[in-house]
Amino acid sequence: GEDVEQSLFLSVREGDSSVINCTYTDSSSTYLYWYKQEPGAGLQLLTYIFSNMDMKQDQRLTVLLNKKDKHLSLRIADTQTGDSAIYFCAEIVMDTGRRALTFGSGTRLQVQP
Amino acid sequence: DAGVIQSPRHEVTEMGQEVTLRCKPISGHNSLFWYRQTMMRGLELLIYFNNNVPIDDSGMPEDRFSAKMPNASFSTLKIQPSEPRDSAVYFCASVTGLLGTDTQYFGPGTRLTVL
Repeated sequence: GEDVEQSLFLSVREGDSSVINCTYTDSSSTYLYWYKQEPGAGLQLLTYIFSNMDMKQDQRLTVLLNKKDKHLSLRIADTQTGDSAIYFCAEIVMDTGRRALTFGSGTRLQVQP
Repeated sequence: DAGVIQSPRHEVTEMGQEVTLRCKPISGHNSLFWYRQTMMRGLELLIYFNNNVPIDDSGMPEDRFSAKMPNASFSTLKIQPSEPRDSAVYFCASVTGLLGTDTQYFGPGTRLTVL
């Protein structure tokens, strides 16, 4: 079944790298997304990757995909206080025909000055 | 573009009352999703539409919930009668199409409190 899991909390110091982890459903045809939610706001898409890729980089963001372990990570380089938010991993398993996002529980990132 | 617009932003009502949440998707987007966020269950799909037609309503909790999309620029989510356990943040999202590469854009949400 569809199940996306994340760790709940991460605390880092400003300037350090943050790594947020997620496990996803076993599928060869899955889109995986990272969303950011700031307090009182909606969700903002940061980046996405298809399950046949290993890595995607976009400025300070790097997404790594370990297909063997069904493990996804988001690395934020040079983390800033403005990066403090909840980060959601989400998937769409194309084989199912279902096009709604299935979300993880979210990881709260706290950046200390 | 103003993005996805939701109203009201906050709603406080008493148990048993009818609640209507509204969403205006981004112009030109063909699909619209309603999600609910709670501390206990996280973010979960309620229903989604494609070209104004409901495609998947498997997440609608029970008959008290109903959703409509009378045209491409407007959708409503109605709860009647409302109960305290319906308290949550309700998000609307719209997307151009249903490819995995199509980005779902979220509205700011409606925070519903049922007393």
